[in-house]
Amino acid sequence: DADVTQTPRNRITKTGKRIMLECSQTKGHDRMYWYRQDPGLGLRLIYYSFDVKDINKGEISDGYSVSRQAQAKFSLSLESAIPNQTALYFCATSDLPGEETQYFGPGTRLLVL
Amino acid sequence: DAKTTQPNSMESNEEEPVHLPCNHSTISGTDYIHWYRQLPSQGPEYVIHGLTSNVNNRMASLAIAEDRKSSTLILHRATLRDAAVYYCILINAGGTSYGKLTFGQGTILTVHP
Repeated sequence: DADVTQTPRNRITKTGKRIMLECSQTKGHDRMYWYRQDPGLGLRLIYYSFDVKDINKGEISDGYSVSRQAQAKFSLSLESAIPNQTALYFCATSDLPGEETQYFGPGTRLLVL
Repeated sequence: DAKTTQPNSMESNEEEPVHLPCNHSTISGTDYIHWYRQLPSQGPEYVIHGLTSNVNNRMASLAIAEDRKSSTLILHRATLRDAAVYYCILINAGGTSYGKLTFGQGTILTVHP
C-alpha cells in the first residue's frame, strides 16, 4: 500500500462549489504539505503543517483552507472554486527537520468549469 | 531565499551516464542541496541530497563543488525510466525556508533508446 494517498484522484466541479481534497499518510510523519502544479510550471506550496496544532500559509494560500484532523490526515478545501484553480494538487509528508526528504502522494487532478 | 539555475532540457542515450548541473551561487552555509524528480503523471520523488560532501545512493550520485556554488546529479547508466523532470532545490535548515521546498522549472531529461 502507498505511504501517502490522496482522494479523489480526479475531480470535475463547477465554479462556486466547495470542494475538499483529502490526504492520508501511514509514514508517521509530523509534517504535511499541499502543493499545486500548473502545466509547464514547477510545484508551488499552498499550505503546510509541522504538527497537528501548527498550520502555516505557503506562497499561494488565497482561496484555499486546510484542516489537520490528525497526524495522518491533512485536508485541503476550496471554499468557492474558480477556474484558475484548475491544476494538479499534491500532498507530501516529511519527518526529519533540516534534511527534509519529502514523500509525495500520487496527486489529484482538479478541473473547475 | 537562495535560488537555483538549471538547464531547461537535456538529452541522453540509454545506458550512458548523465550529468545534470545545477548552479546555486547564493547558497548559504546551512543550505542542503536536494534533488527530486517527477516522472510523467506522478508526484515528485526524492532522489538524493547533500550538504558538503559527495553522496552516493542506489539511484544516483551527487557531486558538490568545493565552494558549494554548484552541484551535479549523476545518473551512472540512464534508462528509459529515468526520463523525467529533475529539480534541484535548496533547503535551509534554520532559515525562512525551513521545511519548505521551492520548486523551479527543473530540467527535462529525455532518454533515447
